[in-house]
Amino acid sequence: AQSVTQLDSQVPVFEEAPVELRCNYSSSVSVYLFWYVQYPNQGLQLLLKYLSGSTLVKGINGFEAEFNKSQTSFHLRKPSVHISDTAEYFCAVIKGGGSYIPTFGRGTSLIVHP
Amino acid sequence: GAVVSQHPSWVICKSGTSVKIECRSLDFQATTMFWYRQFPKQSLMLMATSNEGSKATYEQGVEKDKFLINHASLTLSTLTVTSAHPEDSSFYICSARVTSGSGSEQFFGPGTRLTVL
Repeated sequence: AQSVTQLDSQVPVFEEAPVELRCNYSSSVSVYLFWYVQYPNQGLQLLLKYLSGSTLVKGINGFEAEFNKSQTSFHLRKPSVHISDTAEYFCAVIKGGGSYIPTFGRGTSLIVHP
Repeated sequence: GAVVSQHPSWVICKSGTSVKIECRSLDFQATTMFWYRQFPKQSLMLMATSNEGSKATYEQGVEKDKFLINHASLTLSTLTVTSAHPEDSSFYICSARVTSGSGSEQFFGPGTRLTVL
């Protein structure tokens, strides 16, 4: 069974600082990778996804992520965060050729301080 | 991208009553939808897979008779929490799967906050 590990449950940063949210997965087959953001009392919004092709993926709101197959990682980065980026971030993996049901990480709470 | 809506966004009900939550795909047809439950500060837990025109597939530990799922059309799936109790209070999120040549992706609804008094 595949699993998704988000190593940090909470990441506090100051506004305009860079941030990296870590995500590792375990799967021996091809995968599709996603990052979602969830604001309080809202559903999930897709930030970016990796399906194939370039391993560096750019998403909305200035976020990007890099797929590293050898390290089975898909870390999310932003060079300069804003207060409005404060939210819960979920990494998700879909195993290729399977049921296309994602496995979610436990989430990382990004807290941006002024 | 594809849009998924949920109704209602908030619902408060008395213990013992039933509550129906709707999930609609607004600009596409979805043969498969998913229902998730999310507890505070936790990840999404898949409850069941809803297939249009057939019975839903429930995850282990999810009571079929408690959480009734109906996927009557290609744009609507409903989740009915029967005889709700306070422990059923949670955030319920649906999603719809879109499969294309480049892969598969899920689009999520905004969620429904259920509070059972």
